[in-house]
Amino acid sequence: GNSVTQMEGPVTLSEEAFLTINCTYTATGYPSLFWYVQYPGEGLQLLLKATKADDKGSNKGFEATYRKETTSFHLEKGSVQVSDSAVYFCALIPISSGSARQLTFGSGTQLTVLP
Amino acid sequence: DAGVIQSPRHEVTEMGQEVTLRCKPISGHDYLFWYRQTMMRGLELLIYFNNNVPIDDSGMPEDRFSAKMPNASFSTLKIQPSEPRDSAVYFCASSRGTGGPNQPQHFGDGTRLSIL
Repeated sequence: GNSVTQMEGPVTLSEEAFLTINCTYTATGYPSLFWYVQYPGEGLQLLLKATKADDKGSNKGFEATYRKETTSFHLEKGSVQVSDSAVYFCALIPISSGSARQLTFGSGTQLTVLP
Repeated sequence: DAGVIQSPRHEVTEMGQEVTLRCKPISGHDYLFWYRQTMMRGLELLIYFNNNVPIDDSGMPEDRFSAKMPNASFSTLKIQPSEPRDSAVYFCASSRGTGGPNQPQHFGDGTRLSIL
């Protein structure tokens, strides 16, 4: 089956620190990969995505590269801000025949950035 | 543009009562999804619709849960009778039909449900 494994949190960093949140996946074929972010009291928002091997998704200073050889999609940011404090979810959609749209989510990683 | 709108934002009710959660998807989106989020189980897909038709309801926990989509701009998730273990945040999301399965899902702000 399909699954996503994220590094366990919570993660606490100081402002301007480097961030890495690890994500690995198991899926048949070549899934599309996503990072969603959830701010307190809100729904999930798409942060970035990559649809094929070696693609790099980027948004708001965050980046993640689709690594087929290691089945990974790690999220990185060079300098985090207090406003980045949120829960981050890695997710995949398996691309196969048909129009299945089910996102499979990881368990989420809570990030807290201290001033 | 208006996003996905869910109501109510918060619901507190007693066990055994019927609960109805509502969702208005983004106009023009063909897919609608209902998720449940808990600390123990994370985010779970309950059911999703395409063009108002339920496609996969395998995530619906039991017969007490039902979902409908009478038209393209409205969906409900009903729990009857409710139980304390149904307490969770319920999210609705929608996405476009065109452009393939990579289309992002847009989430509402959720309904926080507490069953006493």
